[in-house]
Amino acid sequence: EIVLTQSPATLSLSPGERATLSCGASQSVSSSYLAWYQQKPGLAPRLLIYDASSRATGIPDRFSGSGSGSGTDFTLTISRLEPEDFAVYYCQQYGSSPPVTFGQGTRLEIK
Amino acid sequence: QVQLVQSGAEVKKPGSSVKVSCKASGGTFSNYAISWVRQAPGQGLEWMGRIIPILGIANYAQNFQDRVTITADKSTSTAFMELSSLRSEDTAVYYCARDPRIYDYSYSDPWGQGTLVTVSS
Repeated sequence: EIVLTQSPATLSLSPGERATLSCGASQSVSSSYLAWYQQKPGLAPRLLIYDASSRATGIPDRFSGSGSGSGTDFTLTISRLEPEDFAVYYCQQYGSSPPVTFGQGTRLEIK
Repeated sequence: QVQLVQSGAEVKKPGSSVKVSCKASGGTFSNYAISWVRQAPGQGLEWMGRIIPILGIANYAQNFQDRVTITADKSTSTAFMELSSLRSEDTAVYYCARDPRIYDYSYSDPWGQGTLVTVSS
């Protein structure tokens, strides 16, 4: 099973700043099959990025995803934080399954 | 666009079973898979398994292999997740979600609204 480790656990930033969230995999994720989700309290997760760098439908271009050539290090970048971006973010790998696995989440909070 | 609507909250006794439904509307049910993911209070996301309705094939996470059954009724575009031998640690919100890729494992989009299952004596 691939273990995903997200860092930092909590990120405190101000609106307008740039956010960089990391997701490390215990082994290479096949075909960069990695996704990012945003979850707000009481709501279901929302897909932001799939296949490491493809934005989901309707997601603003301030959200971007990237991955290293090794297939073990992935990054979600929010270029300029809006008030509605403060939430919990999860990465998910689906390249080595079963099972699909999720990271433990990064809480992005307002500084 | 596809929307997933789940059944309502449940309260169950330890040792019993729960069956949660997930009805899809807008879009062809057979063109995708349905995954089930749970989230314990204040915790992260845990994938339980998925079904490909057009094939009737389900795959499960090892953690749930012995206790979960995922089925689908193509005629009503509804998927079901049944979890047996419930214990207090199974108290969680259970989500269904659409997987656009059938022949590979997939990301999930969209998700149902979630169903809270509370296990308490």
